Parts: sequence; structure tokens; C-alpha cells
Amino acid sequence: DGGITQSPKYLFRKEGQNVTLSCEQNLNHDAMYWYRQDPGQGLRLIYYSQIVNDFQKGDIAEGYSVSREKKESFPLTVTSAQKNPTAFYLCASAVFSGANVLTFGAGSRLTVL
Amino acid sequence: EDKVVQSPLSLVVHEGDTVTLNCSYEVTNFRSLLWYKQEKKAPTFLFMLTSSGIEKKSGRLSSILDKKELFSILNITATQTGDSAVYLCAVDSNFGNEKLTFGTGTRLTIIP
Repeated sequence: DGGITQSPKYLFRKEGQNVTLSCEQNLNHDAMYWYRQDPGQGLRLIYYSQIVNDFQKGDIAEGYSVSREKKESFPLTVTSAQKNPTAFYLCASAVFSGANVLTFGAGSRLTVL
Repeated sequence: EDKVVQSPLSLVVHEGDTVTLNCSYEVTNFRSLLWYKQEKKAPTFLFMLTSSGIEKKSGRLSSILDKKELFSILNITATQTGDSAVYLCAVDSNFGNEKLTFGTGTRLTIIP
């Protein structure tokens, strides 16, 4: 079945550590996105990528980094520079950048101890 | 700044009731409004609305858009416990997916 796989589902890290969240899709979608979801707030865009080897900052990119070396993969690194990293992270994809219907992964919950 | 406001923030009803969820928006160059259902983790797509007054329907769920008054409603009739979820509204502009603006969601709980 086609879809988006995010791993790990749950992750704990100590302050000062970088952590990488994986996002893999087998939908052959060109565009991929990372969102952060916090209680009482709407989904906020961290980074997005329209094609391989290209990505753009979203609204809250500070303290995060991404890469898009393969069409199916869009990993997100949460660096120690992110002041409040505890959150639920959602990866999504779309057929192409102008397509407005997103397919989401099941999310990764990061807790910083 | 684009803005999407959903109400109520949470709603608890009994199985069999009908509910109406609201989404109002302010966005530059509106293109479409989307509804998603988020049960535990992954939001799943429900409807996309682009034209005023045309109802989209899927089983017990229906939605309509009013582009003049800048709002949409999502109706669920004969609710079931499986309808318990967070319902997200998002508005898309002509600038592409990177300009999708999400509301905070309405948490719907159905009591058996």
C-alpha cells in the first residue's frame, strides 16, 4: 500500500542533542513537507521541498534542518538550537507543489528531557 | 497574515446526535478550503471546497463553503463513536501548498 512512513513514533532526547526524524514515501509525490503540531495551535510549517535537492524554509525553520537527496525521503533534524523541541511532528506529501491535498504520515512525538 | 479560526474548540455529544463544526478564515488569494480528520496521529483528507454553496457529501459527513462570509461548516449526522477525532480546517492560497494555513482544530468526542 502506498503511503508515508515516519520513524520513530516516539523519541526521547536530552537537551543539547540533535535528533533526526525519518520520513519516507512511496507515493511518487514530488512535494514533501514537515509540520509541527502543538496543543492549542494549528499545524505550523517547518520546511518543504518541491523537488529533489531543493527545499525551502517554512514559518518556523529556526533550529531545524532538512535534506532531500532522494525523491522518497525527507528527513528532519531537530538541532540543539531549537529552543522548545518537544512536540508532535508530521510529515506530509503532495503530488506536486501546487496540489493542495496533502497525505500525512502517522507522526513522530519528540520529548526532550 | 492569513488566519483560520475553528469553533468550538471541543465538543462532547451523545451517539446519534448531529454536530456542526465551524471554520472561518481570512486569507489572501483564496484557492480552496480543506477538511481533515485526525483520529490519533495521521490527519486524513475529508473534503476540498472551492466554490460557494456547493455541498460536498460523503456518507454522514457533509460540508459547504460560503466565500462571501468567509466560512465553512462540517456537518456530521447520526454520530458514531468512530467519529471521535480532531477535525482540522485548512485554507490554501494561490501561492501553493507552502501557504496552507491550518486552524487549531475541533476536538469531537462521541459518548456511547
